[in-house]
Amino acid sequence: GQSLEQPSEVTAVEGAIVQINCTYQTSGFYGLSWYQQHDGGAPTFLSYNALDGLEETGRFSSFLSRSDSYGYLLLQELQMKDSASYFCAVRDRRSGAGSYQLTFGKGTKLSVIP
Amino acid sequence: GAVVSQHPSWVICKSGTSVKIECRSLDFQATTMFWYRQFPKQSLMLMATSNEGSKATYEQGVEKDKFLINHASLTLSTLTVTSAHPEDSSFYICSSRVRSTYEQYFGPGTRLTVT
Repeated sequence: GQSLEQPSEVTAVEGAIVQINCTYQTSGFYGLSWYQQHDGGAPTFLSYNALDGLEETGRFSSFLSRSDSYGYLLLQELQMKDSASYFCAVRDRRSGAGSYQLTFGKGTKLSVIP
Repeated sequence: GAVVSQHPSWVICKSGTSVKIECRSLDFQATTMFWYRQFPKQSLMLMATSNEGSKATYEQGVEKDKFLINHASLTLSTLTVTSAHPEDSSFYICSSRVRSTYEQYFGPGTRLTVT
């Protein structure tokens, strides 16, 4: 089956850099995605890595190492509005399924403090 | 980015009644839609995958006769919670996958409370 591990909570200071790690176990791995979810809201897509390496999108970067089954989300120049839950999600294709699916980790609650 | 809407955004119903939640892709054709459930402070759990014109594929442990999914068109999928019970109270979120991309776009979610 699929499993993802990420820290449950992280606290960081405004303006700082924070890294949220994610390790996974799955079959049929295609890629690792990251989503942001504010309380009461829907997840919003942040990034996707299919190949090893670092992808940068503004203040956010995401890294993947397929050989280590490991990835991370890096948030720079933290702002108060970045306080949210961050989910890593494995994109895979399970036996019998007609489409690629996302399996989500349990989420990391990031609190940005002044 | 693509826009997905859900209706209603919240609903309160009595135990034993049925509730229908609509999910629409507003500016693209969604051949595949996904339905998730999220309990407070927990992760999103995939309930079923819905392909237009065919029966939904349900995840293990999800009762297909209780959670009826209809994906009648490329822009609309519905989830009906039948004979709802208080333990069905949750945040239900749909998402659509744009053809040939890796992104899933999520609807704003529907908060269901069963009394």
